Amino acid sequence: QKEVEQDPGPLSVPEGAIVSLNCTYSNSAFQYFMWYRQYSRKGPELLMYTYSSGNKEDGRFTAQVDKSSKYISLFIRDSQPSDSATYLCAMSARQPSKIIFGSGTRLSIRP
Amino acid sequence: DAGVTQSPTHLIKTRGQQVTLRCSPKSGHDTVSWYQQALGQGPQFIFQYYEEEERQRGNFPDRFSGHQFPNYSSELNVNALLLGDSALYLCASSSGTLETQYFGPGTRLLVL
Repeated sequence: QKEVEQDPGPLSVPEGAIVSLNCTYSNSAFQYFMWYRQYSRKGPELLMYTYSSGNKEDGRFTAQVDKSSKYISLFIRDSQPSDSATYLCAMSARQPSKIIFGSGTRLSIRP
Repeated sequence: DAGVTQSPTHLIKTRGQQVTLRCSPKSGHDTVSWYQQALGQGPQFIFQYYEEEERQRGNFPDRFSGHQFPNYSSELNVNALLLGDSALYLCASSSGTLETQYFGPGTRLLVL
């Protein structure tokens, strides 16, 4: 069993829709939770960073962490075609330790 | 600020050969991590360097080795290349926290 599980998609939604991306994990030592966005032929770019449980909002993006269920989510409101990319969830047990990534979800926003 | 830079961008090698990939960290960053990303997969942690020492290592064989120089730049060396080493190799630099970690564009390695 992988430490981090993520549905690979692909996920296709119309422009303006709310997108929900999710990951589950098995290692209860994880305390730092991140979402990265990766465009084709580019390196991952940090979108959201959360410590422990709770919600964090940044513009159209909201990250949620539920440590009791070992479940994290990323919500994208008013999705745009420019949001089309692969989204990677990532976690770590301590600073500045190795990051464990999910396999990524390919997201396509239809104009 | 150029951000994290990596060279070369693409590389083709044959099985059994050796390869060296290079990374220059973002200005102000002293910690460099290397990741391997196979097609359709998330990045996998290879190792991390800080103060010219390997601080942490993932589940990669000894064929994978690295080095960090006094100016914080880093090299990843892979010996005795296998077909399965074909992947995007990503370098990430930080100033010591996960929140400050930036990734470079990667080096795409193809082993024939």
